[in-house]
Amino acid sequence: DAKTTQPPSMDCAEGRAANLPCNHSTISGNEYVYWYRQIHSQGPQYIIHGLKNNETNEMASLIITEDRKSSTLILPHATLRDTAVYYCIVRVGASGSRLTFGEGTQLTVNP
Amino acid sequence: NAGVTQTPKFQVLKTGQSMTLQCAQDMNHNSMYWYRQDPGMGLRLIYYSASEGTTDKGEVPNGYNVSRLNKREFSLRLESAAPSQTSVYFCASRSGTSGDSEQFFGPGTRLTVL
Repeated sequence: DAKTTQPPSMDCAEGRAANLPCNHSTISGNEYVYWYRQIHSQGPQYIIHGLKNNETNEMASLIITEDRKSSTLILPHATLRDTAVYYCIVRVGASGSRLTFGEGTQLTVNP
Repeated sequence: NAGVTQTPKFQVLKTGQSMTLQCAQDMNHNSMYWYRQDPGMGLRLIYYSASEGTTDKGEVPNGYNVSRLNKREFSLRLESAAPSQTSVYFCASRSGTSGDSEQFFGPGTRLTVL
């Protein structure tokens, strides 16, 4: 699986958009980009994933560059409850494939 | 649906003791996974089961064994616990029928080995 690079920490003001970047310059054509978050040592929570196109759901938006070498997770209106470690993971879209977690980005939302 | 459940939530062992961590999912998922997370680090895959009847090693399998008891249950066994196995253990499951389906995680088991 391709390796990802994320900043170790970011801050965001409550109510503002949080934009979390991820580099995955060695991504292969059949690898998806996944985002998970982990709030205070709870089990990781799935947020969103995509292959080529931008994606949006009730939690977030995922913007993938045209060359697929980087992506941005956008939390449109961050709240204090969004404070967590955010993991960007790339994974082959096959039934037996696994997630490889890096160290993620610690996002702190400030009041 | 309860999702992914894990027992126990907390456990303290002495070096050399054995124990089994239990995991069950009620989502009819094919694939199940065991991870460990050490303080300040990301999760590392110990073992996984792509489908009922199969198990495979992950990144850090040494000192562990697993059993995929049936489609619902996937247990992790420590035969002779060591202090280096002090960690938080997470179980996860995934439908596996669609190649890009997401994983669902349990709440974790916090294990301390003295």
